[in-house]
Amino acid sequence: KAGVTQTPRYLIKTRGQQVTLSCSPISGHRSVSWYQQTPGQGLQFLFEYFSETQRNKGNFPGRFSGRQFSNSRSEMNVSTLELGDSALYLCASSLGQLTGANVLTFGAGSRLTVL
Amino acid sequence: TQLLEQSPQFLSIQEGENLTVYCNSSSVFSSLQWYRQEPGEGPVLLVTVVTGGEVKKLKRLTFQFGDARKDSSLHITAAQPGDTGLYLCAGEQWAGKSTFGDGTTLTVKP
Repeated sequence: KAGVTQTPRYLIKTRGQQVTLSCSPISGHRSVSWYQQTPGQGLQFLFEYFSETQRNKGNFPGRFSGRQFSNSRSEMNVSTLELGDSALYLCASSLGQLTGANVLTFGAGSRLTVL
Repeated sequence: TQLLEQSPQFLSIQEGENLTVYCNSSSVFSSLQWYRQEPGEGPVLLVTVVTGGEVKKLKRLTFQFGDARKDSSLHITAAQPGDTGLYLCAGEQWAGKSTFGDGTTLTVKP
């Protein structure tokens, strides 16, 4: 059973550019969550998509956006990149069920460096 | 506002020692997970606890969920160098929303 796949693994951008990251969840998982991980702030929740709809949203500016496709694959986009956006972006998939514990399975992450 | 506080933030011990990591909150969670993350990789699930007062054991690791489902602890017995890593607790508030603690960086020296 394939795990969560994130692409690209590493990328370097300059300030002002935009970036799109991709996440393919585990087969059968309908929920995809995105997190930003930095040494100073830990894992911060960006947003969660379930059945192509944004169901939960964290406290990030509008420059951060995402979407989910009918096959549950998800993308997140960051526009007008700032130096502070340098981070490891993690995607996690789960069943997203309303009852019972939802266990997150993470991808290896996309390491973004903004110069 | 940090909903989950983990302590200690850093822990460096000798092989064979015991340790406990704490995860505390003022919020009630429907479930709580512990993850371990190694450099360059995503977090990997260790355990999920759901019921208040629940205790789970995974070899040398013992996890406990507080009676009120607001806090949890991870105890490692006879730590080994292979236990080195970043330990994260995460509380699920509702479907699709999990909040993570800042993590505990554990180093076990041989």
